Amino acid sequence: AQSVAQPEDQVNVAEGNPLTVKCTYSVSGNPYLFWYVQYPNRGLQFLLKYITGDNLVKGSYGFEAEFNKSQTSFHLKKPSALVSDSALYFCAVSSPYNQGGKLIFGQGTELSVKP
Amino acid sequence: DTAVSQTPKYLVTQMGNDKSIKCEQNLGHDTMYWYKQDSKKFLKIMFSYNNKELIINETVPNRFSPKSPDKAHLNLHINSLELGDSAVYFCASSQATARAYEQYFGPGTRLTVT
Repeated sequence: AQSVAQPEDQVNVAEGNPLTVKCTYSVSGNPYLFWYVQYPNRGLQFLLKYITGDNLVKGSYGFEAEFNKSQTSFHLKKPSALVSDSALYFCAVSSPYNQGGKLIFGQGTELSVKP
Repeated sequence: DTAVSQTPKYLVTQMGNDKSIKCEQNLGHDTMYWYKQDSKKFLKIMFSYNNKELIINETVPNRFSPKSPDKAHLNLHINSLELGDSAVYFCASSQATARAYEQYFGPGTRLTVT
């Protein structure tokens, strides 16, 4: 069965410090991996994706993520957090066996950045 | 110039009623989706359409019926609403069904069934 796990319900970071939001996955075949962000009372916004190639992918708002096949992880990172980064972050995966662009989402991690 | 729009934004109704949520995208995408986000923020796909053809139909009660009049619109009709249907429903679109394409989400419709 395919699954995505975000082991931390909440991550607290001080502004200016680096942040990491963790994601691990379990799929058959080569995964396509995505990060989305959801601000309060808003829809999800695409941040970045890993399809193939360089394991380090860069995305919107200064975020990046590293694909690690041996650890089946795709952690989201940012060198210096901003208060405005506070939001709910979702990791998602698509496998070769998913029809029609189906995404499996993790349960979400609430990021809180304090000044 | 909203990319994916949904109406209404809020919907409060009583058990047993029938309601519809409308979704439109102006991105020229071929594929549209409906997701349900429950009170714990968990997201689950319900349906997917590609060029008006149903592609994904997850284990969803048949009280839920999607309709796609054209590839820019995907509506969701719900019959005989139940308390457990209370959730936020998101519409999304992507360029195609190929799994490499990211999805663009609408602002959501918060459905409350009393």
